[in-house]
Amino acid sequence: DQQVKQNSPSLSVQEGRISILNCDYTNSMFDYFLWYKKYPAEGPTFLISISSIKDKNEDGRFTVFLNKSAKHLSLHIVPSQPGDSAVYFCAASIINSGGGADGLTFGKGTHLIIQP
Amino acid sequence: DGGITQSPKYLFRKEGQNVTLSCEQNLNHDAMYWYRQDPGQGLRLIYYSQIVNDFQKGDIAEGYSVSREKKESFPLTVTSAQKNPTAFYLCASSLRKGQGIGEQYFGPGTRLTVT
Repeated sequence: DQQVKQNSPSLSVQEGRISILNCDYTNSMFDYFLWYKKYPAEGPTFLISISSIKDKNEDGRFTVFLNKSAKHLSLHIVPSQPGDSAVYFCAASIINSGGGADGLTFGKGTHLIIQP
Repeated sequence: DGGITQSPKYLFRKEGQNVTLSCEQNLNHDAMYWYRQDPGQGLRLIYYSQIVNDFQKGDIAEGYSVSREKKESFPLTVTSAQKNPTAFYLCASSLRKGQGIGEQYFGPGTRLTVT
């Protein structure tokens, strides 16, 4: 049973436009959410994160929105650039009281293709 | 330069052999993790360790073993009991306290092929 779902396996966006990647989760205990960018045969690169006490976090061209009531988060990339073409993974964790996280639960990823 | 190293990049083994994957970090992170990725899938947690000499099973620990004798090192052994060992293995580390506590940073991965 998937606790983190990325329902779009791929997304094609024109260069310069906004890319919106979506992610849904089912476990209400998750309190920290992250987005990673990944190229084939490489480790994921951390992009941006958001705590459950916030509904928005922005870092340059990347903004993550969290809607706790809908158990939904999204990553906005604007403007989209050719170098943004990659697989994007949504991940969630529970920050435990003793410090740290027990591990990330990942979605299956969305392949973003930026077209010139 | 701080980071996470995994070696080797590619590893080939015969079925029935145990194999150990290396993971070293110099980020001074307390917590370390092992994940595997299969084609078309997200990453799945195998084992994790919050402090030296302590580790916990993740979602798919069967057929794997780990040790955490040093803060910098978290080797993963894929045993012959693992039914489908061929996969891309990723190691990660993170802080346990302070800002960025939930952010995990990944190594470059090891592609293990068992035939």
